[in-house]
Amino acid sequence: EAEVAQSPRYKITEKSQAVAFWCDPISGHATLYWYRQILGQGPELLVQFQDESVVDDSQLPKDRFSAERLKGVDSTLKIQPAELGDSAMYLCASSLGGQETQYFGPGTRLLVL
Amino acid sequence: SQQGEEDPQALSIQEGENATMNCSYKTSINNLQWYRQNSGRGLVHLILIRSNEREKHSGRLRVTLDTSKKSSSLLITASRAADTASYFCATSTSGTSGSRLTFGEGTQLTVNP
Repeated sequence: EAEVAQSPRYKITEKSQAVAFWCDPISGHATLYWYRQILGQGPELLVQFQDESVVDDSQLPKDRFSAERLKGVDSTLKIQPAELGDSAMYLCASSLGGQETQYFGPGTRLLVL
Repeated sequence: SQQGEEDPQALSIQEGENATMNCSYKTSINNLQWYRQNSGRGLVHLILIRSNEREKHSGRLRVTLDTSKKSSSLLITASRAADTASYFCATSTSGTSGSRLTFGEGTQLTVNP
């Protein structure tokens, strides 16, 4: 069964350092999402791609976060510089269309010290 | 920001009992989805109910949707210890940036053997 892949699974970094997360969606899924989930809360959308284009990044802290999906397949989310408050689970998901079922990867748990 | 609010925040039951979780939301939706998340993992899609549907079943799951009250419920019948997880409702809405999925805070379900 096809799955969304994410790496790394865990990342520990010091504040002010740069971190990057990678996501490979299910083959054929045009829509890709990055979410941030703080412990005890639901996921919050950071950015949504349709193919290689950003369709929603209204909740992305653009002063320190960036995301790209250059060839419309895999995607990278970067934080520079990391802050203590960025400690969270970063989840990637993909779907065939924007309104349908989303398939989630295992997530990257980030700890900023 | 979170649109959905789940109730209760936490639920503890005995194996074999039924579990009911509720979700309320604020704006018009295209569909409402329920997801499950085991501790430290990604989310798994359980069921999707469209705005013109009132009830849907999938195995031991029953979902209802009342668009006049802007609420939904998830019923898990004959619960098992393996059902222990966090359950999230997510509403699909349309906006200027296309469709967006907004998650609630979740209900933590514990099924005791």
